[in-house]
Amino acid sequence: EQLVESGGGGVQPGGSLRLSCTGSGFAFSNFGIHWVRQAPGKGLEWVAVMSYDGSSEFYADSVRGRFTVSRDNSKNTLYLRMNRLRREDTAVYYCARDLPPQDGYGMDVWGQGTTVTVS
Amino acid sequence: QAVVTQEPSLSVSPGGTVTLTCDLSSEAVSIYNYPSWYQQAPGQPPRTLIYTTNTRSSGVPDRFSGSILGRKAALTITGAQTEDECVYYCMLYVGNGISLFGEGTHLTVL
Repeated sequence: EQLVESGGGGVQPGGSLRLSCTGSGFAFSNFGIHWVRQAPGKGLEWVAVMSYDGSSEFYADSVRGRFTVSRDNSKNTLYLRMNRLRREDTAVYYCARDLPPQDGYGMDVWGQGTTVTVS
Repeated sequence: QAVVTQEPSLSVSPGGTVTLTCDLSSEAVSIYNYPSWYQQAPGQPPRTLIYTTNTRSSGVPDRFSGSILGRKAALTITGAQTEDECVYYCMLYVGNGISLFGEGTHLTVL
């Protein structure tokens, strides 16, 4: 069971970037996926979550209206489209698998992260 | 918006017991906040330790346990090992699909 993020890089303030999170070793289409970020030297910040079928999505106040989550279950991939980027969006972005509903709420499998630098 | 608060740092002797706590500014923490705990070593992604208050994730040693103590969620390490020295984050579900992390507790084992 593995998640791999990609798409990070450098971008100017006001620019856009799309991150990808690809799952393998499990039934990707059965699980919700979270995005969590970590600014340099700082703690974890929950960013967003999308349900297993893409029918619902939720965002942190800090990114709502600028970031959009989507998924393509045929490609086992979740996306994070980031628009109007700010310097404070600079962080390592992790995707993490949501727990099955019967297990409650939280994450169990984490990717290694991809770095976004806004400057 | 609600804020999740953790002790910035704690220390424990090898073999000792330590409890980390997780407080929610807006209300007492309950099982409906589904408290979860994550461990992060330097340069590594987080690792899930505990979810839904007190369920250990696969492969997590039983010296780690979760609970609710009074108004807070708690992570207790019984018989701390030197490899437990890292940062611990709690996360709480606060409703409407939103989750919040605490700022993390840096645990020193010495």
